[in-house]
Amino acid sequence: GAVVSQHPSWVICKSGTSVKIECRSLDFQATTMFWYRQFPKQSLMLMATSNEGSKATYEQGVEKDKFLINHASLTLSTLTVTSAHPEDSSFYICSASLHGPGYTFGSGTRLTVV
Amino acid sequence: AQSVSQHNHHVILSEAASLELGCNYSYGGTVNLFWYVQYPGQHLQLLLKYFSEDPLVKGIKGFEAEFIKSKFSFNLRKPSVQWSDTAEYFCAVMGYSSASKIIFGSGTRLSIRP
Repeated sequence: GAVVSQHPSWVICKSGTSVKIECRSLDFQATTMFWYRQFPKQSLMLMATSNEGSKATYEQGVEKDKFLINHASLTLSTLTVTSAHPEDSSFYICSASLHGPGYTFGSGTRLTVV
Repeated sequence: AQSVSQHNHHVILSEAASLELGCNYSYGGTVNLFWYVQYPGQHLQLLLKYFSEDPLVKGIKGFEAEFIKSKFSFNLRKPSVQWSDTAEYFCAVMGYSSASKIIFGSGTRLSIRP
């Protein structure tokens, strides 16, 4: 149980375009999902907390207008990287929780902006 | 503020050697603690977690960790490592509520010589 699916697993886009990444909880409902970013050979940095039915909470230094988060249902959160630039190239990972602590992570999305 | 410190950035061991990876955290309250592993090219997997039960926690693949509250530490141990343990290991801390976010340490790269 507690499986989190992330799609796509990798994407290449042109500079200036927008990219949407989906995070789904497959066998449970997640009122809270989290979006992380991982640079090569570095740790995961929390970007934002996605709350179903309300606005996301962004960490300090994360541009909310650039990284749009939507959590419209209890099983789906989306992260849209708007007007992507090469410096946005990274590995984006989502996680979700059941009722209580202990998170399951998606397999990640590798974004390359050219 | 929550923080996690992993002082060993890269550890190199021979097979059958014993392993201990350090993790210290800072948090003003009751915590949950985690160790995650990321094998090359794969996504994060949970090794073990501490949720305020026995301070000595046993995880998968022969790993264990001991929570020492007075030292704010949660070190990961394995008595005899294998080549397949080569991976990146992340310690993480989370506050004691279902909506708390997980904060990761910077990670320790473990390389095992066959």
